[in-house]
Amino acid sequence: GESVGLHLPTLSVQEGDNSIINCAYSNSASDYFIWYKQESGKGPQFIIDIRSNMDKRQGQRVTVLLNKTVKHLSLQIAATQPGDSAVYFCAENRAGNMLTFGGGTRLMVKP
Amino acid sequence: EAQVTQNPRYLITVTGKKLTVTCSQNMNHEYMSWYRQDPGLGLRQIYYSMNVEVTDKGDVPEGYKVSRKEKRNFPLILESPSPNQTSLYFCASSFGRQGRNYGYTFGSGTRLTVV
Repeated sequence: GESVGLHLPTLSVQEGDNSIINCAYSNSASDYFIWYKQESGKGPQFIIDIRSNMDKRQGQRVTVLLNKTVKHLSLQIAATQPGDSAVYFCAENRAGNMLTFGGGTRLMVKP
Repeated sequence: EAQVTQNPRYLITVTGKKLTVTCSQNMNHEYMSWYRQDPGLGLRQIYYSMNVEVTDKGDVPEGYKVSRKEKRNFPLILESPSPNQTSLYFCASSFGRQGRNYGYTFGSGTRLTVV
């Protein structure tokens, strides 16, 4: 598959454990955030989003937490599965059409 | 199936030979964008378009051109490719509401090598 980053932070977890992936954003004016998952050889895929008037949002097995005080975003994956192995990106919407992506974190799930 | 289609998936070319990477979406999205992805640099926006005949520069537009003559198509043009444009390219599209982008759908990527 395509290499998406040779120097990415890597999180290694055991199958069945919970995963927490963190992201720091830079612009306090950003008011909308998205988590993307990118598997090898594929484009980024939308997972979950959150607006700045919320501090938590839950999806199926995923939860996003937003801490605006410290400009921090996290993605929690419950009962991590081998299919969750991928690179995860956070993105912030600063104004209008512009989405700015973070550098990404590689999640590796050990069977 | 709702999707963003890019072609080609892989391309090797020589310096200075003009090329076009096509992008088409079937979701009637207003917004379209091109990103390049490089190791250690993440996803960087090249150009974006908020509607037909409306395009704007992103973070790294030098050496690229785009056009948006139809809503569904957003080709990326490299008039004179150089080796530093070797990269993985993604096209993306999304609905726009009140000027806000609520998240892109990405294509599968085009791996470009310029020798």
